[in-house]
Amino acid sequence: DAMVIQNPRYQVTQFGKPVTLSCSQTLNHNVMYWYQQKSSQAPKLLFHYYDKDFNNEADTPDNFQSRRPNTSFCFLDIRSPGLGDAAMYLCATSSLFIAGTTNNEQFFGPGTRLTVL
Amino acid sequence: ELKVEQNPLFLSMQEGKNYTIYCNYSTTSDRLYWYRQDPGKSLESLFVLLSNGAVKQEGRLMASLDTKARLSTLHITAAVHDLSATYFCAVDLSSGTYKYIFGTGTRLKVLA
Repeated sequence: DAMVIQNPRYQVTQFGKPVTLSCSQTLNHNVMYWYQQKSSQAPKLLFHYYDKDFNNEADTPDNFQSRRPNTSFCFLDIRSPGLGDAAMYLCATSSLFIAGTTNNEQFFGPGTRLTVL
Repeated sequence: ELKVEQNPLFLSMQEGKNYTIYCNYSTTSDRLYWYRQDPGKSLESLFVLLSNGAVKQEGRLMASLDTKARLSTLHITAAVHDLSATYFCAVDLSSGTYKYIFGTGTRLKVLA
């Protein structure tokens, strides 16, 4: 089955220790997104790629970086995690045209829960 | 400022009852999505609404979209405990940016 995969599902890191979260997709979608979701809040978009074009949200901290080496993979790097970065990180993909209709439906991975000690 | 507001934010209801969750948005858009999220889990797609007047139904849930009023509703019929979850609407900005704005979420608890 085509899907969005995130690894690891759970990540524990120490304050200030860099961490990388990964996302892969078998849907061949051209858009990939990274969201941060804290408890009882809506997902917050950090950035997205349209093909190789990177789009950063204005309020995404510089501490967060992303890489997309190819269509299938996207990485989220947190350079110096702080306690406030503990959250669920969701990767999603979309493709503008699905089944002949204009449809930008997003498909979400299972998420990575990040704990910062 | 772009806003997507849901209400209510919290909803506690008895099994067997009907209720409607509202999603109001402040930007022009003709595409809206509903998601379900269980505690500690990711988002699961429920409905894709792509035009004014669109109505979709799946089991006890029915979603509709009125783009003129900038309003979507998620109606629950004869609620059951398994519907307990948080429900999010998300508006596609439809400006070629491939971005969504998520609503505030509605936490639903169905009491047996």
